[in-house]
Amino acid sequence: NAGVTQTPKFQVLKTGQSMTLQCAQDMNHEYMSWYRQDPGMGLRLIHYSVGAGITDQGEVPNGYNVSRSTTEDFPLRLLSAAPSQTSVYFCASRRGYEQYFGPGTRLTVT
Amino acid sequence: AQSVTQLDSQVPVFEEAPVELRCNYSSSVSVYLFWYVQYPNQGLQLLLKYLSGSTLVESINGFEAEFNKSQTSFHLRKPSVHISDTAEYFCAVSAYSGAGSYQLTFGKGTKLSVIP
Repeated sequence: NAGVTQTPKFQVLKTGQSMTLQCAQDMNHEYMSWYRQDPGMGLRLIHYSVGAGITDQGEVPNGYNVSRSTTEDFPLRLLSAAPSQTSVYFCASRRGYEQYFGPGTRLTVT
Repeated sequence: AQSVTQLDSQVPVFEEAPVELRCNYSSSVSVYLFWYVQYPNQGLQLLLKYLSGSTLVESINGFEAEFNKSQTSFHLRKPSVHISDTAEYFCAVSAYSGAGSYQLTFGKGTKLSVIP
């Protein structure tokens, strides 16, 4: 049981480039979400999904897209990277009230 | 809507001293309460949780938290900290939002620095 996995661990992008952060879970959880963590800001919800085919926006969705074609996978796409998207990104999954986090992706946009 | 306030953004404390990290929440419905810990350059791990029953909950590494419904608080305490407790601690609240869904809200975190 791997839990929640994320790839890559680290990424450097140039402004304007696009990329996809991968997230997978093997716990058969319906609910998955993406957060970004910035100093002094805590965790901010970007997008979430309550099941395959269903996604919705969180607190800070601009500049990001998501899709949920399977229960296991929930990729996060940066369409045109900006320096303001430099952050640590966490994927999470849960059933009910208890949430499990992935190890994070540290993204730097130059 | 619910909210979580962690009253201190940074808490420095000497090794072997006691510590309390404060968390207050607001919610119009019953809640579940959590503390997560994030060690440097790692993801968040669940430290302890309150779901129901005894209002005092404990973790395996000596932390405890007490749910106080009248004061809407869930403060985290440890009687004697170690260097290895240096981390950021997040308080979180989960409340039922209908249709089988729970809304989870995090505080902004408290950085605990243990000084040798």
